[in-house]
Amino acid sequence: DAGVIQSPRHEVTEMGQEVTLRCKPISGHNSLFWYRQTMMRGLELLIYFNNNVPIDDSGMPEDRFSAKMPNASFSTLKIQPSEPRDSAVYFCASSLGTGEQPQHFGDGTRLSIL
Amino acid sequence: GENVEQHPSTLSVQEGDSAVIKCTYSDSASNYFPWYKQELGKGPQLIIDIRSNVGEKKDQRIAVTLNKTAKHFSLHITETQPEDSAVYFCAATGSARQLTFGSGTQLTVLP
Repeated sequence: DAGVIQSPRHEVTEMGQEVTLRCKPISGHNSLFWYRQTMMRGLELLIYFNNNVPIDDSGMPEDRFSAKMPNASFSTLKIQPSEPRDSAVYFCASSLGTGEQPQHFGDGTRLSIL
Repeated sequence: GENVEQHPSTLSVQEGDSAVIKCTYSDSASNYFPWYKQELGKGPQLIIDIRSNVGEKKDQRIAVTLNKTAKHFSLHITETQPEDSAVYFCAATGSARQLTFGSGTQLTVLP
């Protein structure tokens, strides 16, 4: 079975550029989560969707960050404009429902902003 | 909101010995406690989980215990092998119905 698929795996770009991260959840899962992982702050939830609707975006650090889920099989996380402090590994996860359901993670996008 | 603390941050054991990682949580409404293993360059992978109506769960060499009264849960790995070396995260789902992760434990199994 295909797991959560993220692209790109690595992204290096200059400060000020727009960055778009992509995620394909596991087929049949109706919840999707975006996390950010850094050494300093660990794994942080940025936003999550249920049935393609954003439920909680309180973890999104700034207005420079936005996320969309146009359909059940695709989501994007966009940073515009990007800053060096946005450098991190961004993970997407999906699950059947929210709360007390196992979340399955992709292998992440390692983002470096120069 | 939920706060999850995890100890130790690093753990080294000899191959064949047992490893124990402990977590505490703050939200008494938490009912779901998964454990994840993260290898270098990979995403966290669910290895075992436990719900609040169960005190212990075992899957081969891995076991998890939960003490709801004390608000702590632990991961036990027996007969450790070099391939068990990774970062392990505990997590808890609080009243906000979102996972809050611990800070992680780097486990090294020495051959």
